[in-house]
Amino acid sequence: GENVEQHPSTLSVQEGDSAVIKCTYSDSASNYFPWYKQELGKRPQLIIDIRSNVGEKKDQRIAVTLNKTAKHFSLHITETQPEDSAVYFCAAGSSNTGKLIFGQGTTLQVKP
Amino acid sequence: DTAVSQTPKYLVTQMGNDKSIKCEQNLGHDTMYWYKQDSKKFLKIMFSYNNKELIINETVPNRFSPKSPDKAHLNLHINSLELGDSAVYFCASSHGEEVNSPLHFGNGTRLTVT
Repeated sequence: GENVEQHPSTLSVQEGDSAVIKCTYSDSASNYFPWYKQELGKRPQLIIDIRSNVGEKKDQRIAVTLNKTAKHFSLHITETQPEDSAVYFCAAGSSNTGKLIFGQGTTLQVKP
Repeated sequence: DTAVSQTPKYLVTQMGNDKSIKCEQNLGHDTMYWYKQDSKKFLKIMFSYNNKELIINETVPNRFSPKSPDKAHLNLHINSLELGDSAVYFCASSHGEEVNSPLHFGNGTRLTVT
């Protein structure tokens, strides 16, 4: 079945450093790749998304890259701040199946 | 001014009981979902509805029965609760049925079955 693998499961960085989270997907028909941020005890919220016709997208300190050939995509956070600490989920959506499959999540801790 | 609201926020109950969780969205979205987040934080879709019609049913036990009286509401009724049902249940909505419509999540209902 469809699968999304996300790494690492936990990531600890110093404030000001960059953080990178990587995901791979199995369904080659996937064409939508959102990233959600979930702070402790809160709901997941969309922070950035990318569609398959684009290789890279940037929004201030956040960027996402997509390699369709290799079936992987990554989230890059630059100049990390303590408020970036949260669980981050990648997901892959396929128009064929109509399903959005989430990765297992990455707990990011930014140390002041 | 909550866009997707679900009640209750916390639900503690005993095994074998029946309980319901309600969800309402005021975004005018056509599609609504129920997701289950287990203790390992894994988010898994359970159901999706588009304009009151069931679109996705992800091999969820028959004890779980969603009901959508109109496109702004999607409730979840659970019969004969089991220990393994303990989780956070998130309602969500999206503008369209297409998988590339961003999800708007509710604040979650933490269900604890004792």
